[in-house]
Amino acid sequence: GEDVEQSLFLSVREGDSSVINCTYTDSSSTYLYWYKQEPGAGLQLLTYIFSNMDMKQDQRLTVLLNKKDKHLSLRIADTQTGDSAIYFCAEEDSNYQLIWGAGTKLIIKP
Amino acid sequence: NAGVTQTPKFQVLKTGQSMTLQCAQDMNHEYMSWYRQDPGMGLRLIHYSVGAGITDQGEVPNGYNVSRSTTEDFPLRLLSAAPSQTSVYFCASTSGQGDNEQFFGPGTRLTVL
Repeated sequence: GEDVEQSLFLSVREGDSSVINCTYTDSSSTYLYWYKQEPGAGLQLLTYIFSNMDMKQDQRLTVLLNKKDKHLSLRIADTQTGDSAIYFCAEEDSNYQLIWGAGTKLIIKP
Repeated sequence: NAGVTQTPKFQVLKTGQSMTLQCAQDMNHEYMSWYRQDPGMGLRLIHYSVGAGITDQGEVPNGYNVSRSTTEDFPLRLLSAAPSQTSVYFCASTSGQGDNEQFFGPGTRLTVL
């Protein structure tokens, strides 16, 4: 079946760039998403990319999509303590439902 | 707009009890979903609906029922609660058009003793 995989943890120093990676299996996905979940809070859409795009930039966020390798990444430039959260990668299936990764917990070191 | 609302925020049940988690949205979205979130497993789809009167099973439907009598409401019913259903439950809705952003409720933290 369809599957989305991501590492469970990433630790970076404040001010460095964070790169969170995700792989997926459904080659027919149209949209791929990054959601952010802060401690004790719900889920918030961070950014998304359409499958015919290679890159999308939005302020400190850069999304890269390698459709051939089914690899998606989220780069956060100049990582701040407020970026501490769990980041979920998700792909959309043909029923408009999302297949989710397990989430990557981003830990910021001072 | 209130967006997606869920009640209750917290609930403790005993094994075997039943209860209903409420979810409502005021964005006139056709698609609504229920997910459970467990540590290290991400979000798993329980049930979803593509419109009033239409529901379907997701990845982990056992032990849960849903109904969609109106576009606005999508309640999730636990028939006979089990400790394995201890989780955080999120309701989501999406228009199914454009970028298909899913809007999430704040979540319900359920503990089954």
